[in-house]
Amino acid sequence: DTGVSQNPRHKITKRGQNVTFRCDPISEHNRLYWYRQTLGQGPEFLTYFQNEAQLEKSRLLSDRFSAERPKGSFSTLEIQRTEQGDSAMYLCASSSRGRSYGYTFGSGTRLTVV
Amino acid sequence: AQRVTQPEKLLSVFKGAPVELKCNYSYSGSPELFWYVQYSRQRLQLLLRHISRESIKGFTADLNKGETSFHLKKPFAQEEDSAMYYCALSFNNAGNMLTFGGGTRLMVKP
Repeated sequence: DTGVSQNPRHKITKRGQNVTFRCDPISEHNRLYWYRQTLGQGPEFLTYFQNEAQLEKSRLLSDRFSAERPKGSFSTLEIQRTEQGDSAMYLCASSSRGRSYGYTFGSGTRLTVV
Repeated sequence: AQRVTQPEKLLSVFKGAPVELKCNYSYSGSPELFWYVQYSRQRLQLLLRHISRESIKGFTADLNKGETSFHLKKPFAQEEDSAMYYCALSFNNAGNMLTFGGGTRLMVKP
């Protein structure tokens, strides 16, 4: 286990379709985060899990978005009825330590909605 | 609400010149600040964190609470320093969520 793995790397979908992304964190990390990054911007926080519990959700996470982390291992992020504005890089990160420590990021999933 | 500002989208310097990437923040709580770097075709990675007061790849950053700044500095830039740099603020004690600045692209010319 050499890092955070995200699949797929790229996803092109038609507007209105549903998409699901997967994140496999570093195995011993109990904290998992999803961020979204659009062109020319820094990453924006979406949601946070500690083990299997989803403890925080951003206002950016509309009701079309849902995230899960069953059994506290991998996580999925689903977007229903995709819109062109959902086109972005979706980043997953994990951490095992407290506030003073940083994350390990995955390579991201680039979503293009056409 | 917390906010991180990186005023320069692009910073271009010659090899061997000093570098300062600016970061200003606003946050009512006790700040925890980080610099992340993204080299071409690589994932975002942690460069340094203010709590450790460390120097990584010759870069240092000092938290100035009076000026609410956390500028990243290096005395002599190298071509391999060319990358996107993001300043980030931890805004939640329990969850360690981060607010990122918009990023600065550093280009080091030969």
